[in-house]
Amino acid sequence: QKEVEQDPGPLSVPEGAIVSLNCTYSNSAFQYFMWYRQYSRKGPELLMYTYSSGNKEDGRFTAQVDKSSKYISLFIRDSQPSDSATYLCAMSSYSSASKIIFGSGTRLSIRP
Amino acid sequence: GAVVSQHPSRVICKSGTSVKIECRSLDFQATTMFWYRQFPKQSLMLMATSNEGSKATYEQGVEKDKFLINHASLTLSTLTVTSAHPEDSSFYICSASKLAGGQETQYFGPGTRLLVL
Repeated sequence: QKEVEQDPGPLSVPEGAIVSLNCTYSNSAFQYFMWYRQYSRKGPELLMYTYSSGNKEDGRFTAQVDKSSKYISLFIRDSQPSDSATYLCAMSSYSSASKIIFGSGTRLSIRP
Repeated sequence: GAVVSQHPSRVICKSGTSVKIECRSLDFQATTMFWYRQFPKQSLMLMATSNEGSKATYEQGVEKDKFLINHASLTLSTLTVTSAHPEDSSFYICSASKLAGGQETQYFGPGTRLLVL
C-alpha cells in the first residue's frame, strides 16, 4: 500500500464548475499537507499549505484536512481553463521543508 | 519572492557521458535543497537531500556514485548524472527550502528534461 493515494484521473469538468480533488494517506505521523499544481513539462508550484486538521481558503481554492479519516481535499471554485493542470497532494511529518511524500497527481481538464 | 532556477532546461546526451544539472535559489539562501526525479505520468520521487557543506543523504535505491550531488553554497546545488544510460532519461526537478512566516516551505525549480540516446 502506498503511503499516499491519489486518483490519477483524468478529470474533465466544464468551466465554472466546482472541482473536488482528494487524497488519502496511511501514515498518521503526517502533519503538514500541501497541494501543488504542475503544468506540463514544468516544476510543481505550491498552491496551498496546511498544518494539522482544518480548512484553509485562498481565493478560489480551499484545502481541507481530516486527520481522523486520513483524508485531504482541494476544492476549486469557479474553475477556469487555466486551471487545467496536474494537481499533486503532498505531505510531510516534520515540516514542509523536510522529506515530502507526493501523491501520483490528478490530471484536471477544464472545458471552455 | 522564492524563485528557483535550473540549468539546463533540456539536455540530450549520448550513452556513457556525464551530465551536470544546476539548481539555484535566486532570491534567498537555502540551507537544504532536494533532488527529485519524475517519469512520464508519474509523481515526483525524492532522490536525495542536500545540505550546504555536507554530504547528501540519498534515498533507498538511489546510487550515490551515479548521481553525484554537490551543495557548494547556500544558493547552488548540482546534480551530476555519471555515465548516463537511456534508462536515466527522465525529468529532474530540484527544490530549495525557505523559511517564510515562521514556516519552512519547499519551492521547486522548473525541471530539467534529460534524454540519453
